[in-house]
Amino acid sequence: GQQVMQIPQYQHVQEGEDFTTYCNSSTTLSNIQWYKQRPGGHPVFLIQLVKSGEVKKQKRLTFQFGEAKKNSSLHITATQTTDVGTYFCAGWRDTNAGKSTFGDGTTLTVKP
Amino acid sequence: DSGVTQTPKHLITATGQRVTLRCSPRSGDLSVYWYQQSLDQGLQFLIQYYNGEERAKGNILERFSAQQFPDLHSELNLSSLELGDSALYFCASSPRGRSGEQYFGPGTRLTVT
Repeated sequence: GQQVMQIPQYQHVQEGEDFTTYCNSSTTLSNIQWYKQRPGGHPVFLIQLVKSGEVKKQKRLTFQFGEAKKNSSLHITATQTTDVGTYFCAGWRDTNAGKSTFGDGTTLTVKP
Repeated sequence: DSGVTQTPKHLITATGQRVTLRCSPRSGDLSVYWYQQSLDQGLQFLIQYYNGEERAKGNILERFSAQQFPDLHSELNLSSLELGDSALYFCASSPRGRSGEQYFGPGTRLTVT
């Protein structure tokens, strides 16, 4: 079946450093979403990428979808303590199939 | 606040028992998804309903079942509970035509003792 691998599992950074998490799928994806889950909270939708090679920015966050639509990344510039949490990617092979596969997430901690 | 509501917030029960978790989607959303998140684990997709009908099934155990009612709220039934069923159960809903954009409820924390 479809597998979505996310690395690293954990990342500890000093405030102000950059952070990147990577998502790799075993199959070509129709689209991919990114979510953030704060400790003790629920996943919050961040963004959806659909096109091959697509790059989207949200303030200090940059999201990229690979040319082959099998990988994606989330990059945070100059991390802040408010960025702590677990970042999940979710890949859809076929949106009409109604089923996405979530990566295991990357948990980010930021030292002030 | 995502607009998705889930009850109860916490549930403690014994092995072998049966529980029902409830979810109300955001106003206007027809799709409801159920996920299980165990401690330090990712999100495991269980099942999806769209406008009252089952649309997709994930790794849902036979002891678990769900349904979506005409008013679009959904219930997840967990029976013959085992210790390993202890987890956070999230419900999510998505806008029509935007399945990937899911809005999660606050979750129900189930503890089986």
